[in-house]
Amino acid sequence: NAGVTQTPKFQVLKTGQSMTLQCAQDMNHEYMSWYRQDPGMGLRLIHYSVGAGITDQGEVPNGYNVSRSTTEDFPLRLLSAAPSQTSVYFCASSYSSSGAGFFGPGTRLTVL
Amino acid sequence: RKEVEQDPGPFNVPEGATVAFNCTYSNSASQSFFWYRQDCRKEPKLLMSVYSSGNEDGRFTAQLNRASQYISLLIRDSKLSDSATYLCVRGGADGLTFGKGTHLIIQP
Repeated sequence: NAGVTQTPKFQVLKTGQSMTLQCAQDMNHEYMSWYRQDPGMGLRLIHYSVGAGITDQGEVPNGYNVSRSTTEDFPLRLLSAAPSQTSVYFCASSYSSSGAGFFGPGTRLTVL
Repeated sequence: RKEVEQDPGPFNVPEGATVAFNCTYSNSASQSFFWYRQDCRKEPKLLMSVYSSGNEDGRFTAQLNRASQYISLLIRDSKLSDSATYLCVRGGADGLTFGKGTHLIIQP
């Protein structure tokens, strides 16, 4: 099993550009989530999904969109990138919302 | 008040010593608890789950005290490879909430 995969590993954007961070898992987990990690802030939940077709907002959803068309995939879209979105983004999956999450390797995003 | 609070450290500990971390949580409806380990520029990885009855995995022991709302992690006979950031995590219907982490440095 590949576990949780994320692409790209690194990305540089200019302010105002849009992009999609990809996340996929092969563990048949229903629950998937996106976090951002900033120095001194810890991991903060952006969006999550409890199953295909169902998504909801986390702690810091502004500027991001998600969709969940399949159990395996949970892409995160940046609509109009801002320097404040410079961060490391982690995708995670688990059996349930309260279950131990397994993380992807992360995407390091810089917005200039 | 942050939902999960940890001492950020760093804890500088000689190799072979025993080190203990605590964290506190504020949401009494929390259903699950975990310790994660995160190495520099890597993703968090599950270290162990935490139960009221205690959980031991080799040199690592975790304990949950629901009455006082704190979680502990004990590392015995510390190794250089234990150097990392340790994240305290609570889980519930609203997902996982992470502490900011405790930075541990094992010194030779």
